[in-house]
Amino acid sequence: RKEVEQDPGPFNVPEGATVAFNCTYSNSASQSFFWYRQDCRKEPKLLMSVYSSGNEDGRFTAQLNRASQYISLLIRDSKLSDSATYLCVVNTAWRGSTLGRLYFGRGTQLTVWP
Amino acid sequence: DTGVSQDPRHKITKRGQNVTFRCDPISEHNRLYWYRQTLGQGPEFLTYFQNEAQLEKSRLLSDRFSAERPKGSFSTLEIQRTEQGDSAMYLCASRAPRQDRETNYGYTFGSGTRLTVV
Repeated sequence: RKEVEQDPGPFNVPEGATVAFNCTYSNSASQSFFWYRQDCRKEPKLLMSVYSSGNEDGRFTAQLNRASQYISLLIRDSKLSDSATYLCVVNTAWRGSTLGRLYFGRGTQLTVWP
Repeated sequence: DTGVSQDPRHKITKRGQNVTFRCDPISEHNRLYWYRQTLGQGPEFLTYFQNEAQLEKSRLLSDRFSAERPKGSFSTLEIQRTEQGDSAMYLCASRAPRQDRETNYGYTFGSGTRLTVV
């Protein structure tokens, strides 16, 4: 079983739409959670961290449910520039430290059309 | 440019040849990671250095792969006797000693080296 499972999509939505992505993770010891954005043939870039209390950054809202090991990302009022692949990422401790590797989902592809 | 630099950006090689990639992390970052990303997949962890010490290696890192960070600064990833299955984007990331919300937990990725084995 993969550490992070994510629906690859694609999601094709019109401008202004609200779209939601989710993912699940398998390791209950995972400590940190993120959404990364990756444009075609570019490196991943941090979009936002995800906290149990939920957090919002402009049009983006992220939620974490530790009990269900479920992470979500909501994008409101989609823009053309939001077209990208969104990667769900967890950081798992290694040997009790917090210096662990990042585990990436396969990414969800979003296309916003005019 | 104070980001993570990777060289070369693209590499085309014939099967069986050896290739070496270089990563220059952000100077104050003591932690360095290598990941591999194939088409349609997320990046997969290969190996991790703290300063010059290689602390963790993935099972993906077969004996044809070797990584070094001799002086705790730049790192190299070498693939010997390349195979077509090695074709991928090889990503390097570095991480600051301090990890908190203010530093976005410190990870910064380079632009990657795209390897094509023909």
